[in-house]
Amino acid sequence: SYVLTQPPSVSVAPGKTARIPCGGNNIGSKTVHWYQQKPGQAPVLVIDSNSDRPSGIPQRFSGSNSGNTATLTISRVEVGDEADYYCQVWDTTSEYVFGSGTKVTVL
Amino acid sequence: DVHLVESGGGVARPGGSLRLSCAASGFNFDDYGMSWVRQVPGKGLEWVSDVNWNGGSTGYAESVKGRFTISRDNTKNSLYLQMNSLRAEDTAFYYCARVVGGRLVRNSYFDFWGQGTLVTVSS
Repeated sequence: SYVLTQPPSVSVAPGKTARIPCGGNNIGSKTVHWYQQKPGQAPVLVIDSNSDRPSGIPQRFSGSNSGNTATLTISRVEVGDEADYYCQVWDTTSEYVFGSGTKVTVL
Repeated sequence: DVHLVESGGGVARPGGSLRLSCAASGFNFDDYGMSWVRQVPGKGLEWVSDVNWNGGSTGYAESVKGRFTISRDNTKNSLYLQMNSLRAEDTAFYYCARVVGGRLVRNSYFDFWGQGTLVTVSS
């Protein structure tokens, strides 16, 4: 089965840039989607199709995907961005695969 | 606005059954595939099952295959998950999610999620 690897946590100061990696074997050949989940809430789609922002998602959120790593970048981080972030791909054997999630802490 | 509201969660004994429902509104329900995703409290997301627009094609994670059955009723804008032979490891929040792309479409993802319903399997 296909495995997506994320660091458990990322810390960033307000106003700085957070980069959240999502590693997978040749993930650049797949399409990656990202979800934000705040405590006690349902996940929210923040990036689809590697780098597209759904309606209502701030431009501060961007995505890239190449080689063995996809990255969610949050620019000018705000306290309200504190959340867990999950990457997701579709795989022919496992269907929907999620990464283990990264907790973003704003210092 | 798209709304997905799950119900039917609760406590079940190991080996028991529960049926989850998801009421959808705000979009043409029969234009979309739908899915169930679960999350053990404090842990990550795990895809459980999905169904295509008319219920004619379904998929399951290996962990639930043969025990869970997904279905939908487009006349009622509703999605269901029949869970049989429940195990302690099925304890989780269960989310209903709308699928963009569809069954077996390689770039598929979930664009809207419900708030979830908690299933607890315990003796």
